Amino acid sequence: QKEVEQNSGPLSVPEGAIASLNCTYSDRGSQSFFWYRQYSGKSPELIMSIYSNGDKEDGRFTAQLNKASQYVSLLIRDSQPSDSATYLCAVSLSGGYNKLIFGAGTRLAVHP
Amino acid sequence: EAGVAQSPRYKIIEKRQSVAFWCNPISGHATLYWYQQILGQGPKLLIQFQNNGVVDDSQLPKDRFSAERLKGVDSTLKIQPAKLEDSAVYLCASSLAGSETQYFGPGTRLLVL
Repeated sequence: QKEVEQNSGPLSVPEGAIASLNCTYSDRGSQSFFWYRQYSGKSPELIMSIYSNGDKEDGRFTAQLNKASQYVSLLIRDSQPSDSATYLCAVSLSGGYNKLIFGAGTRLAVHP
Repeated sequence: EAGVAQSPRYKIIEKRQSVAFWCNPISGHATLYWYQQILGQGPKLLIQFQNNGVVDDSQLPKDRFSAERLKGVDSTLKIQPAKLEDSAVYLCASSLAGSETQYFGPGTRLLVL
């Protein structure tokens, strides 16, 4: 069974700080990795995708990928209360058909 | 551009009853996914369609769940009979053929009593 593991949190950070969210996965053949944000009672929304080792930046968000260690992380700089949500890590399984396996998510709470 | 549409938004039923959910993907999206998200967990793929064909239904409990996408556009997911453990949010998502970027609908929240 292919798995994606995340710390459930809550991760509590003060406004303006950097929030660091981590994810590990078991499928060594996976090539595509995604971070979704899910507000309470809402559906997941894609915020970042990453395919190559290293960092990818988009505004206040930076995704980091290390395939050798099988981990993906998401950094949120200058965290805002509006960033408070559950962040889901998703991994596309090797073998085709773009099947995503989701972690259980990390709940982030940004306090003023 | 309209997003993924789902209905109903909420449903409460008694165990052993049947229920159906409807999804209309983004126009032009060939791939449609149904996920089940239990409270506190990530979405779990139930079934994936490419046009009107099933490409993955390995985690669909086929003794009680069924899904169809007859004309390759909208889709229906049915549960019959429902169990208490089916209480969850049922999410529909769609993507362009060959794309890994999935767009989610608002979901249907099901409570089985």
